[in-house]
Amino acid sequence: KAGVTQTPRYLIKTRGQQVTLSCSPISGHRSVSWYQQTPGQGLQFLFEYFSETQRNKGNFPGRFSGRQFSNSRSEMNVSTLELGDSALYLCASSLDFRNTIYFGEGSWLTVV
Amino acid sequence: DQQVKQNSPSLSVQEGRISILNCDYTNSMFDYFLWYKKYPAEGPTFLISISSIKDKNEDGRFTVFLNKSAKHLSLHIVPSQPGDSAVYFCAASGEYGNKLVFGAGTILRVKS
Repeated sequence: KAGVTQTPRYLIKTRGQQVTLSCSPISGHRSVSWYQQTPGQGLQFLFEYFSETQRNKGNFPGRFSGRQFSNSRSEMNVSTLELGDSALYLCASSLDFRNTIYFGEGSWLTVV
Repeated sequence: DQQVKQNSPSLSVQEGRISILNCDYTNSMFDYFLWYKKYPAEGPTFLISISSIKDKNEDGRFTVFLNKSAKHLSLHIVPSQPGDSAVYFCAASGEYGNKLVFGAGTILRVKS
């Protein structure tokens, strides 16, 4: 059974640019959520999508956005990148509420 | 406002002995708890979970205990193995949807 797949694994962007990260959940999982991990802030929740609708949102600025497609695949976008956006971005999937949440390997974003 | 706290930044244990990792939470609305293991530059790996209707859950070498009155949970690993050396995160959820609040993590080192 394939796990959560995230692409790209590594990327470098320039301040002011935008970036799109992609996530393919485990087959059959309809909940996809995104997290940011930084040394200073730890693992922080960005947002969750379920059946193409945003179900939960964390405390991040509007530059961070996401969407989910009908096949449950998800993308997150960060516009007007700042140096502080450099982080490991993790995607997680789950069947639904109160089910085990599985994480992908993450996308390492470096903003220079 | 740290709603989930892992007060021990690190723990060192001899191979074959028990590892006990602790986690405290402040939000009484949390009712689902998970433990993850993480290596640098990788996504978290799910270990075990517990719902607030239980006070104990076991899976092989891993046992999680939940004390709701004290808002405390702990992960026991018996026997500890060198391959268990990693960062362990406690996470909690309580709202509708899969929004996890993570602790800061505990670095476990198992010495052979």
